[in-house]
This record gives sequence, C-alpha cells and structure tokens, in this order.
Amino acid sequence: QSALTQPRSVSGSPGQSVTISCTGTSSDVGGYNYVSWYQQHPGKAPKFMIYDVNKRPSGVPDRFSGSKSGNTASLTISGLQAEDEADYYCCSYAGSYTPNWVFGGGTKLTVL
Amino acid sequence: EVQLVESGGGLVQPGGSLRLSCAASGFTFSGSWMHWVRQAPGKGLVWVSRINSDGKTTSYADSVKGRFTISRDNAKDTLYLQMNSLRAEDTAVYYCARNTGTVFDYWGQGTLVTVSS
Repeated sequence: QSALTQPRSVSGSPGQSVTISCTGTSSDVGGYNYVSWYQQHPGKAPKFMIYDVNKRPSGVPDRFSGSKSGNTASLTISGLQAEDEADYYCCSYAGSYTPNWVFGGGTKLTVL
Repeated sequence: EVQLVESGGGLVQPGGSLRLSCAASGFTFSGSWMHWVRQAPGKGLVWVSRINSDGKTTSYADSVKGRFTISRDNAKDTLYLQMNSLRAEDTAVYYCARNTGTVFDYWGQGTLVTVSS
C-alpha cells in the first residue's frame, strides 16, 4: 500500500483560502469515510484537525473544513492566518489487512 | 489531561535492538487502542503498528513485520515497541498515538531512534 498523494507545498496570503488534496485508492480514501487531517508545526507532534472526512473536533477553528470525492479528500483552510503555516498530513483507514492506516506524504503550507 | 510520554530512543548500530516505551496518563489506557507512527528526518508520517485494548491483537507495517513487536502493560499504563534487527532506514522519530474510533486523537512528543555505525 503506497502513501496517499499530497502536493508538496501550497501557499496563500493572510485572509485567503487554500485547499490541500489527498489522493488515494478505492482501498483507502475511496473505500471508507475515515479520512483525517493532522497539522504539524516544526519539532512538534501532529495535532488532529479533521476526522471522518469533515468532522471538526472541539477547539479547531471552523476555518478548517474537509471533504471527499471518490478517491480524493481535501482540506480547505479559509481566512489564512500566520499560525496556520505548518505541515499537513492526511490519513485514511485502509481496512483490516495491513497496513491498517496510510498517511499522505505531507504538504507544507506557507502563509506569504 | 491526556499525556503520552515516549522514552527509550537513542543511537544503535545496524542489527541492534532497542525498546521504546510510552507512558500514558489522563485517560483509561486499558480501554484504548494504541499505535506507533514514525517520521524519518525531513519526511512524512508512516504508520508502524497497532495493538488493541487488551493486547491480544496486533498489526504491523510490512517494513517492520518480523522485526518489531508491539505490546502493552495495562497495569502500568505503558505501551512498548521492541525493535530488533534495526536498519538505517528505521532511523526516525517514533510517536505513540491513541486511536479513538477512526482518528489518532492524542500523540506523544516522540523519541528519536538513530541507526548508524
């Protein structure tokens, strides 16, 4: 099972919106509504921002939203803020056979 | 407050062994599925292994199967990863993470494993 495909980098100016894509297969992203997104600042542990494709845990701003179409999931960040600059990883459940979970390669978000 | 604290990382020669620990607090450890996820320097996250709440079922990535063993001691609220036959490509920060439903909702700060001669 290969890693999910994400763009290496995206950028946007404060106040703008950016979308990060995450492409998998019918065995992972397309097969389950169990896509989650993680934010990681340099030297820090990942923090989950979205789960089950489009659910947001308490404490995560509603500027963060998720969606999915077929084998591609997306994370949209609207009203970009400086503190959003970080690496973002998607993750999908991939079934009961190993690997159970697959991550994307990560996307570096730069706030210009 | 949920806390996961990894330890046991360090420098080891190729072919060597290391045991990582992850001390949990602030939640019912014995009721939680737990995972190890690693991140090579400058690279992305990679799922390594998982164990169910009572420790009876485990799963591994193909890259570590047969070399790594995940286990837990629910009496000590501690997760382990025994790593044998280590290779240079195992060099990474190893995170333990709690799995609640379909998401990794809490992560430790990570422990660095460096495999080098």
